[in-house]
Amino acid sequence: DTGVSQNPRHKITKRGQNVTFRCDPISEHNRLYWYRQTLGQGPEFLTYFQNEAQLEKSRLLSDRFSAERPKGSFSTLEIQRTEQGDSAMYLCASSFAGTSGTYTDTQYFGPGTRLTVL
Amino acid sequence: AQTVTQSQPEMSVQEAETVTLSCTYDTSESDYYLFWYKQPPSRQMILVIRQEAYKQQNATENRFSVNFQKAAKSFSLKISDSQLGDAAMYFCAFPLGGETSGSRLTFGEGTQLTVNP
Repeated sequence: DTGVSQNPRHKITKRGQNVTFRCDPISEHNRLYWYRQTLGQGPEFLTYFQNEAQLEKSRLLSDRFSAERPKGSFSTLEIQRTEQGDSAMYLCASSFAGTSGTYTDTQYFGPGTRLTVL
Repeated sequence: AQTVTQSQPEMSVQEAETVTLSCTYDTSESDYYLFWYKQPPSRQMILVIRQEAYKQQNATENRFSVNFQKAAKSFSLKISDSQLGDAAMYFCAFPLGGETSGSRLTFGEGTQLTVNP
């Protein structure tokens, strides 16, 4: 079990540029979550996938944000026309949601991608 | 609304002593899990412990244990024999949504724990 990985770990970009982050979940996990965390705050939910289907998006996810998980494995989060307010840590988490028992799945987080928009 | 509240922004403990971090939550659900995560300076979010609401027995993981009071909607974390490596931000987390909404987590504000040698 290699854990959740995220790339890049750090990204510095200029306002108006597009950026893309990648998340590789734990291999047998069918759910993948994206969160955003600003300094001194807890993470805030952005979106989640079950397999390749994007099932929920937060109101925080503006039209400039798009996420994909094309084959139900890795996921990408793209931010278009970045703004200084997008500067944050972007966290990915994965979990396995079974079909029996309670629905709550335990999420394991990656190391995050720290985005700085100048 | 489902919310999570951590009323202690900062806590400190002497090495080898015991500390308790508080968390309260609000929900109308009857069956759910609760989680404590720690986030050291590296900012990797690490699962510490989880509690299943339908289980009356409090969860324990080595030096970490919880005091779960379902009626009071309270979920505190006790760290025994504190070690320098326990210093981190600790978040209480609660999953929102039902079976069709996944288990997206809502987090408390966090408690910054300092361990003094």
